[in-house]
Formats: sequence, structure tokens, C-alpha cells
Amino acid sequence: TQLLEQSPQFLSIQEGENLTVYCNSSSVFSSLQWYRQEPGEGPVLLVTVVTGGEVKKLKRLTFQFGDARKDSSLHITAAQPGDTGLYLCAGGSNTGKLIFGQGTTLQVKP
Amino acid sequence: DVKVTQSSRYLVKRTGEKVFLECVQDMDHENMFWYRQDPGLGLRLIYFSYDVKMKEKGDIPEGYSVSREKKERFSLILESASTNQTSMYLCASSLFSGGEQFFGPGTRLTVL
Repeated sequence: TQLLEQSPQFLSIQEGENLTVYCNSSSVFSSLQWYRQEPGEGPVLLVTVVTGGEVKKLKRLTFQFGDARKDSSLHITAAQPGDTGLYLCAGGSNTGKLIFGQGTTLQVKP
Repeated sequence: DVKVTQSSRYLVKRTGEKVFLECVQDMDHENMFWYRQDPGLGLRLIYFSYDVKMKEKGDIPEGYSVSREKKERFSLILESASTNQTSMYLCASSLFSGGEQFFGPGTRLTVL
């Protein structure tokens, strides 16, 4: 069974701080997707990484896929209150399903 | 604007009732999914469908069934609701297998 361990589960920081969220597995994934979910809404895709070692940037968010395609990280620089939400990583499997991590709840205080 | 809609945002039912959750997508996607979301557990897949009238069990199918009579509509059925099925239910669709999933806003179901 493929599993994705996401850490930390909760993060409460001040505006302007940096943070990193990790997504780890013992399994290889064909791709790794990162979603953000705001209260009362469904998750929305932020980025997909597919190549080992790939780095993608989305404004202040940097996503990295591990060389072996078993892990990924999301780094936020100078966090803003608008970054508050639930961040979910999801691995693409050969069955066509996505395997989701448990999620990281981020609170950025002004 | 692409959309996945769910029939209810909030639902309260009694133990033993039969519950229908409806999901409709307007993107002509082949794949549709039902998840439940509980704190600390992430999204757990209940059932998915890759074509009309086709369905596959996910990780936690017990106590649930699904129906996909039309491409755009995927229904989740709780045959006899129980209190441990109180949860947030999310529907999603995708064009490609393993590709980006588009989610509905969710239905928060409370079973009393």
C-alpha cells in the first residue's frame, strides 16, 4: 500500500516568516501534486511535479520533487495571512488514483 | 468556468436513513471520485469511476455504494447511515487518470 506522510500537521507562524512542509514516502510516484484548501471549499491544485529533482516556483512558493520521486517539499518565503489554509500533497500512482497525505494546516498571523 | 457541484453543502440525517449525495461536473471528464475528509486523516478514497456504469472500490468502501448512470453525474449512497459516517464528503473529477482533480465544495454530513 502506498502511503504519503506529511509533516508537520499544524503550523502557526507570524507574517513574514519562512516555512517548509514535507511529504515523504517509501514508494515511488509518477507525479506529485500539491493542493490548497480553504475553509468551506474543495482543494485546488497549486502545482504538479513529475521529474525527479524538479523545482517549480509559484510566486513565494517553491515546490521540489525528490531525485528518487519518493518525497516532495513545499517552501513558502515570507508567509502572508492569505497563505492560511490546508495544504495537501498527493502522489500519482499506476492505478490512476491519487494518494493523499494527511494535510498540513497553516495559520499565518498578521 | 469549469465546475464540480454537489447537491448539498450541509446535511443532517438520522441513523439508519438512506442518504444520497449527488455530484455533477460540466467538464466532460471520464474520471470521478468520492472522498471523505476527516481531521488528521487527509482525504480517503471511497469509490471512483472511470466511465459510465463503471465503478471501482477505493480504500474505504464499506457502508457506501455509488451510481454513475450518466457521464456528468456520480452519486454516493449511504445505504443505512451510521454516526461514524459523519464527515465532510468531497467529490472530484479528472480528465486524465492520475491527473489534476477538480473538487466540489463538499457536503458536511452529520448523522445523529
